[in-house]
Amino acid sequence: EVQLVESGGGLVQPGGSLRLSCTTSGFTFSSYTMTWVRQVPGQGLESVSGISGGAKTIYYTDSVRGRFTVSRDNSKNTLYLQMNSLRVEDTAVYYCAKGRPQDQGFDSWGQGTLVSVSS
Amino acid sequence: DIQLTQSPSFLSASVGDRVTITCRASQGIRNYLAWYQQQPEKAPKLLIYATSTLQSGVPSRFSGSGSGTEFTLTISSLQPEDFATYYCQQLSSYPRTFGQGTTVEI
Repeated sequence: EVQLVESGGGLVQPGGSLRLSCTTSGFTFSSYTMTWVRQVPGQGLESVSGISGGAKTIYYTDSVRGRFTVSRDNSKNTLYLQMNSLRVEDTAVYYCAKGRPQDQGFDSWGQGTLVSVSS
Repeated sequence: DIQLTQSPSFLSASVGDRVTITCRASQGIRNYLAWYQQQPEKAPKLLIYATSTLQSGVPSRFSGSGSGTEFTLTISSLQPEDFATYYCQQLSSYPRTFGQGTTVEI
């Protein structure tokens, strides 16, 4: 059974940093693109950052580029999101999601971790 | 970035109704279109990928169609567990953008 478990969320002041982790099991982690998706409570979904299985392809949405860094440790089956210079507008539930082959959807999701940026 | 526009944003329906949600892309995305269902306080669930392929375990009352820039999700006979928010997503280019969502209410 595929499992994705996020951790590392919490309350942080504007300008602060957090590191999210997504621990996975039940599939060959290194073979799949992984993505961080966030959702402001009550609002829609936004793809924040993605990383291919071998980490050769990485992307960021414009609003986080230069502040967030995605990485993965294939030996630990774990995905990371280092978030620096956090802003109030980064407040959201952050999900990690596993990509299907050939970039056809995200077929497994974690339960999400809440990041709150507030003074 | 490719923009996706869903219509309607809200839909009131009854059990047994046939429901259709439309997703329009700001440019062609070939068949790189997926649909998700999200229940309150839950993670999204993949329903359909590659425009029309049903994800394993998803009931056959869900179907998808379309090409180029216009796509549809159809629920042939709405069931109580289908009242949720539905999102389309394009995977043709980065970032993998989502539509704004369609909430199906009783």
